[in-house]
Amino acid sequence: DIQMTQSPSTLSASVGDRVTITCRASQSISSWLAWYQQKPGKAPNLLIYKASKLKSGVPSRFSGSGSGTEFTLTISSLQPDDFATYYCQQYNSYLGAFGQGTKVEIK
Amino acid sequence: EVQLVQSGAQVKKPGESLKISCRGSGYTFSNYWIDWVRQMPGKGLESMGSIYPGDSDSRYSPSFQGQVTISADKSISTAYLEWSSLKASDTAIYFCGRHGIDGDYINYWGQGTLVTVSS
Repeated sequence: DIQMTQSPSTLSASVGDRVTITCRASQSISSWLAWYQQKPGKAPNLLIYKASKLKSGVPSRFSGSGSGTEFTLTISSLQPDDFATYYCQQYNSYLGAFGQGTKVEIK
Repeated sequence: EVQLVQSGAQVKKPGESLKISCRGSGYTFSNYWIDWVRQMPGKGLESMGSIYPGDSDSRYSPSFQGQVTISADKSISTAYLEWSSLKASDTAIYFCGRHGIDGDYINYWGQGTLVTVSS
């Protein structure tokens, strides 16, 4: 089974900061990686798929990069609405595993 | 507009059975895989299993194989997640999600169903 490891688990940042979250796969997954945002009490929301493709309607301050085993999600200028938990998910193999999540908190 | 609407919150006792649902609309339900994802209180997301409503082909994560049953009725555009004997550890929010057009990421999510199992 492919394991996904995110870092950090928690991140404290201020509005306007540039934020980077890392996701590592236990084996190569090519570019078959998605990123989701989840706010408390809500369903997750797709941000990025195929490692770097932005879902329509998602603000351009979100970007994704990477391939193989190492991936990053970057928020170029953190906004108040961005304080949430972020998950990566591999879909190279079926029933793709999720990372454990990164909570972005207000500093 | 693509929508997935899940059935309401449930409170059950250990040992009871339960079937929750996820109804799709705004697209051809038969043509897209539906995933079920568990989120235990205060924890992360776990893939449970998937079903292709067109032919009811289903797959299960090893952790959930034999613990739940995933099914679908394409005639009413609805997928199901079922337990025959609930445990307290099944207390969680359960989300359904539809795959994207070009990959197995989850492009659309249901609102979630809270299942509470308590004596």
